[in-house]
Amino acid sequence: NAGVTQTPKFQVLKTGQSMTLQCAQDMNHEYMSWYRQDPGMGLRLIHYSVGAGITDQGEVPNGYNVSRSTTEDFPLRLLSAAPSQTSVYFCASSFRTSGSAYEQYFGPGTRLTVT
Amino acid sequence: RKEVEQDPGPFNVPEGATVAFNCTYSNSASQSFFWYRQDCRKEPKLLMSVYSSGNEDGRFTAQLNRASQYISLLIRDSKLSDSATYLCVVNMAINSGNTPLVFGKGTRLSVIA
Repeated sequence: NAGVTQTPKFQVLKTGQSMTLQCAQDMNHEYMSWYRQDPGMGLRLIHYSVGAGITDQGEVPNGYNVSRSTTEDFPLRLLSAAPSQTSVYFCASSFRTSGSAYEQYFGPGTRLTVT
Repeated sequence: RKEVEQDPGPFNVPEGATVAFNCTYSNSASQSFFWYRQDCRKEPKLLMSVYSSGNEDGRFTAQLNRASQYISLLIRDSKLSDSATYLCVVNMAINSGNTPLVFGKGTRLSVIA
């Protein structure tokens, strides 16, 4: 299993450009999520999905869109990049359970710089 | 009060030392608790889950105190390879595993030779 993969690893955008961060998992996990990590802020949830066709907003969803057309893929789209979106983005996935502990597996991250 | 709070550190300890981290959470209905480890410029990885009765994995011991709403991580006989940031993570769900995890900002540990 490749686990959770993310592409690209690094990206530089100009303000106003749009792009899609790709995330895929091959573990048949129902639950997938996107986080951003900034110095001193910890991991903050952007969007998440509990299964194909179902998405929901996290703590910091503005400026981002997601879709979940398949179990495997969960792309994150930046609509119009802003310098405030400079960050490290992590995708994660896990099995969906009911009220009990579950482990989230993270991808290696995408380092995005917006100039 | 923030949902999950941790002392950011850094904790600088010599090899062989015992070090403890605490984490407090605000939602008394929280059900699941974890410690993740994150190495510099890497993704977080699960270190251990935290169970009500407390649990141990080698040199690592995790404990949960529901009454005071905190969890702890104890590392005995610290190794250089333990140097990392330790993230406290809480699932705020009551009856469903679908509610996202909430991450603390992490505590940085440096083990010095």
